[in-house]
Amino acid sequence: SAVISQKPSRDICQRGTSLTIQCQVDSQVTMMFWYRQQPGQSLTLIATANQGSEATYESGFVIDKFPISRPNLTFSTLTVSNMSPEDSSIYLCSDMTYNEQFFGPGTRLTVL
Amino acid sequence: GENVEQHPSTLSVQEGDSAVIKCTYSDSASNYFPWYKQELGKGPQLIIDIRSNVGEKKDQRIAVTLNKTAKHFSLHITETQPEDSAVYFCAATSARQLTFGSGTQLTVLP
Repeated sequence: SAVISQKPSRDICQRGTSLTIQCQVDSQVTMMFWYRQQPGQSLTLIATANQGSEATYESGFVIDKFPISRPNLTFSTLTVSNMSPEDSSIYLCSDMTYNEQFFGPGTRLTVL
Repeated sequence: GENVEQHPSTLSVQEGDSAVIKCTYSDSASNYFPWYKQELGKGPQLIIDIRSNVGEKKDQRIAVTLNKTAKHFSLHITETQPEDSAVYFCAATSARQLTFGSGTQLTVLP
């Protein structure tokens, strides 16, 4: 499986600011995803990051709040915009290879 | 869309005993069922998976069973060890999208 890294691993941010999370995969992958995991909860898909085109967002998530870039087959970013305390979560990058899905270590975000 | 239910939400077992976690799914088109282990402060780790053309799969102390007719699948961990303590998530894939269960906090007591 590909090795997935994320930066930053954690951050504490002020309300109203934005944070960009980076995801790097050590090999080219077809599909990349971004998930949110709220404290003590399961994983919720935010969007599928499409290489060279706009991301595909799930119900309840919008591009203005969670802009995503995917400039190539190994890298993607997720921005959490205009943050509020409700955005405090773990954000996880994921890739799918041969129908198996793997996750990065996550970015733990706390919004004050 | 797909709906995955997972039980129990918490499970405590004595070291050496077996642990069983059960999931049901709603979409009969789902064809891939992975299980993830998530330790504190880490991302989910794929530990075993099963596809819809197989009824059972085993990997050392871990096994997964699938009943397509009843639309349920289970994770079995034998000879549990303290390092098995973690949150376990089941998932089902429909239309190449994973839907996760709510998670089971497994605690193995020494």
